[in-house]
Amino acid sequence: DIVMTQSPDSLAVSLGERATINCKSSQSVLYSSNSKNYLAWYQHKPGQPPKLLIYWASTRESGVPDRFSGSGSGTDFTLTISSLQAEDVAVYYCQQYYSTPFTFGPGTKVDIK
Amino acid sequence: QVQLQESGPGLVKPSQTLSLTCTVSGGSFSSGGYYWSWIRQHPGKGLEWIGYIYYSGSTYYNPSLKSRVTISVDTSKNQLSLKLSSVTAADTAVYYCARGSDVDTAYNWFDPWGQGTLVTVSS
Repeated sequence: DIVMTQSPDSLAVSLGERATINCKSSQSVLYSSNSKNYLAWYQHKPGQPPKLLIYWASTRESGVPDRFSGSGSGTDFTLTISSLQAEDVAVYYCQQYYSTPFTFGPGTKVDIK
Repeated sequence: QVQLQESGPGLVKPSQTLSLTCTVSGGSFSSGGYYWSWIRQHPGKGLEWIGYIYYSGSTYYNPSLKSRVTISVDTSKNQLSLKLSSVTAADTAVYYCARGSDVDTAYNWFDPWGQGTLVTVSS
């Protein structure tokens, strides 16, 4: 299985400031034949299902604010919220879909400082 | 727009079988080549992928649960189901159904998701 880790476990950021979440996979999720990283990011708020933010490591889902961006390749990835808004308080998960069983990171909780 | 809704008992006794249904609206199983998954979240924990079923009926289960899991589909009712046998308190979780994003490939992200349903295993 591909093990996904995230750091930090939680972070508190002032409104309007940048939040950065790191995700690391135990093996590369870059598929050489199409040069795509099989990694997604989700935002999860209590009482709601996870919401897709980013796929292919850096492609923003339609309707997702452009303050959310994803980067990275191979085994190291980053989700950046460029200017934290109150509605961004949530737990954020990365997920690899490179191989089965599909696996998620343990999550990073983002709060307002 | 496809919507998913999980349903089933919120309380299951230890050693019994957990049975959940996911009803799909706004789309049909038989009209597309999507993979449909079950995912769970233990209280206060992360997300665990349980397995998927292709619209044709082929399945793949997480090896960690494989011996206890059955996922099936009823195309006439536009429903997929999850059965998890011999449950223990460790199976207490919110269970989600979700669809793979693209047709004819299992290797994609999950979107959309159902709202989730909490199942508690307790006597």
